[in-house]
Amino acid sequence: SQTIHQWPATLVQPVGSPLSLECTVEGTSNPNLYWYRQAAGRGLQLLFYSVGIGQISSEVPQNLSASRPQDRQFILSSKKLLLSDSGFYLCAWSSGTEMNTEAFFGQGTRLTVV
Amino acid sequence: AQSVTQLDSQVPVFEEAPVELRCNYSSSVSVYLFWYVQYPNQGLQLLLKYLSGSTLVKGINGFEAEFNKSQTSFHLRKPSVHISDTAEYFCAVSDHSSYKLIFGSGTRLLVRP
Repeated sequence: SQTIHQWPATLVQPVGSPLSLECTVEGTSNPNLYWYRQAAGRGLQLLFYSVGIGQISSEVPQNLSASRPQDRQFILSSKKLLLSDSGFYLCAWSSGTEMNTEAFFGQGTRLTVV
Repeated sequence: AQSVTQLDSQVPVFEEAPVELRCNYSSSVSVYLFWYVQYPNQGLQLLLKYLSGSTLVKGINGFEAEFNKSQTSFHLRKPSVHISDTAEYFCAVSDHSSYKLIFGSGTRLLVRP
């Protein structure tokens, strides 16, 4: 069966520090991968999605970036965090072969920038 | 581009009462529609989805939703809620040509005894 791992679960980082959040998927190949951010009182904002290795689409211009170095690995990064980067970050995957994109989510990372 | 509107940010309801959570979408092409539930500090879990065919879709935990193309709506309903249904509910849309999944702002369902 397919599983998705996201870590760390919680993270407290000072303003200006770098960020690296990792997400890996097991039990499937060529998944579509997504990074969402959920800010307090707001919905899920799609940040990045990827349909293949090295293929990254950015939805919102900001100081975050994403990379997909391997088929089932998706990394969210920042060189210098801002206070506004605080939030709940969710990684998700969906089947790369179907258009009915039911997504499966990780447990999330709660990032607090101080 | 698609968008999703969930007009109610919070819906309080008493246990065993019926509930409807509203969702309207905007898209220029045919869409797939989803409802997800999120319990505190967790990821999202799929409740149900509409892909095609019957406009009434049944999901897990006794929830159902009805797709109304003319009103561009996909409202979620449950005839009798439980305390354990307290959670945040998200409506989402994707289209037939994109792998993007766009979510609404969420509705917090608060079930009171």
